[in-house]
Amino acid sequence: EDKVVQSPLSLVVHEGDTVTLNCSYEVTNFRSLLWYKQEKKAPTFLFMLTSSGIEKKSGRLSSILDKKELFSILNITATQTGDSAIYLCAGEIYNDYKLSFGAGTTVTVRA
Amino acid sequence: GAVVSQHPSRVICKSGTSVKIECRSLDFQATTMFWYRQFPKQSLMLMATSNEGSKATYEQGVEKDKFLINHASLTLSTLTVTSAHPEDSSFYICSAAPDTNQPQHFGDGTRLSIL
Repeated sequence: EDKVVQSPLSLVVHEGDTVTLNCSYEVTNFRSLLWYKQEKKAPTFLFMLTSSGIEKKSGRLSSILDKKELFSILNITATQTGDSAIYLCAGEIYNDYKLSFGAGTTVTVRA
Repeated sequence: GAVVSQHPSRVICKSGTSVKIECRSLDFQATTMFWYRQFPKQSLMLMATSNEGSKATYEQGVEKDKFLINHASLTLSTLTVTSAHPEDSSFYICSAAPDTNQPQHFGDGTRLSIL
């Protein structure tokens, strides 16, 4: 059975702090690892990682995948209150492109 | 680009009612769409894969007669929760991708409350 585990489950930081979110996976026929941000509604796409060791960046967010150790991290630098959300990672499966989601990490950024 | 629209955003209805939820890809065609369910404080659980022009494939434990899926066109999939009961109350979300090399994008979700 495919398994995606995120840690920590939740954290509280102050504005300006840096956070690191972890995602480990055991996904049969693994194709890619995706990160999403979920606020009140449905998840919004952040990153899609298919190659190991190549960091992807978008503003203050960055992410990297390690296909040997089967994990990914998402970094958020200089956090702002608008970064408060649930961050989800998901493993994508070859052929049927299904996503297997982790439980999410709830990030709360205090002013 | 890659906008997925879902309607309605909120439904409140009595037990025994059937509820239809629409998922549309607005700026691309999608031969495959996915339906998820999310209970409070839990992650997204895949319910089924909606395939244009053919039957949907359901995940283990999901009743296909309860959750009817129709994917009649390349831009529209519908999920009908038949004879809904309070335990079906949940957040239902669909997703689709423009092609297999792009990420899934999600609709805004439908919050279903069965009284």
